[in-house]
Amino acid sequence: DSGVTQTPKHLITATGQRVTLRCSPRSGDLSVYWYQQSLDQGLQFLIQYYNGEERAKGNILERFSAQQFPDLHSELNLSSLELGDSALYFCASSVGRDRSGELFFGEGSRLTVL
Amino acid sequence: LAKTTQPISMDSYEGQEVNITCSHNNIATNDYITWYQQFPSQGPRFIIQGYKTKVTNEVASLFIPADRKSSTLSLPRVSLSDTAVYYCLVGDYNTDKLIFGTGTRLQVFP
Repeated sequence: DSGVTQTPKHLITATGQRVTLRCSPRSGDLSVYWYQQSLDQGLQFLIQYYNGEERAKGNILERFSAQQFPDLHSELNLSSLELGDSALYFCASSVGRDRSGELFFGEGSRLTVL
Repeated sequence: LAKTTQPISMDSYEGQEVNITCSHNNIATNDYITWYQQFPSQGPRFIIQGYKTKVTNEVASLFIPADRKSSTLSLPRVSLSDTAVYYCLVGDYNTDKLIFGTGTRLQVFP
């Protein structure tokens, strides 16, 4: 158990819909990262937050948005969903912002868009 | 963006040593290089991390040359349970992002 909690574990929805994925980082971790992993593909960096502020942005679509709340949990919002958005979405956390630490990953949220 | 490349797949037999190399041509100067293991439908798990030269822990060794343009994960005496996908993770010098390598699927045979 990494200590990172992601909900929901599975989500099935239709094209055009909007979903929210939630991540609770490990206790004491200030950074949260979001990654997307499509079927049999690698891990694509989406975005990082540190203590509530956006720290780095990857290949995140404009239809996607994220935020980190004062209690340090994070949400990834996916809107106007397309079939190609079906993927595993992973959240990871780390203690600091300088990337010298280990990332702890949750078990992921599997999104299926029909 | 940093280009991190790894061999797509590798096969090995139980008890052998496996070396997986990651090429990263534009790594951030102050970033560590980290390796992760991923089983199907699970989140990646930390294996080992290093900055330069050699690092060893109870499960693996990590070799990093002086130019830091590559790194090699060494798994001694692999077992069937080491069958997984292995990723390197590095920082991108220009964009400040953490970029995973393309991943290496390791299959261990009895």
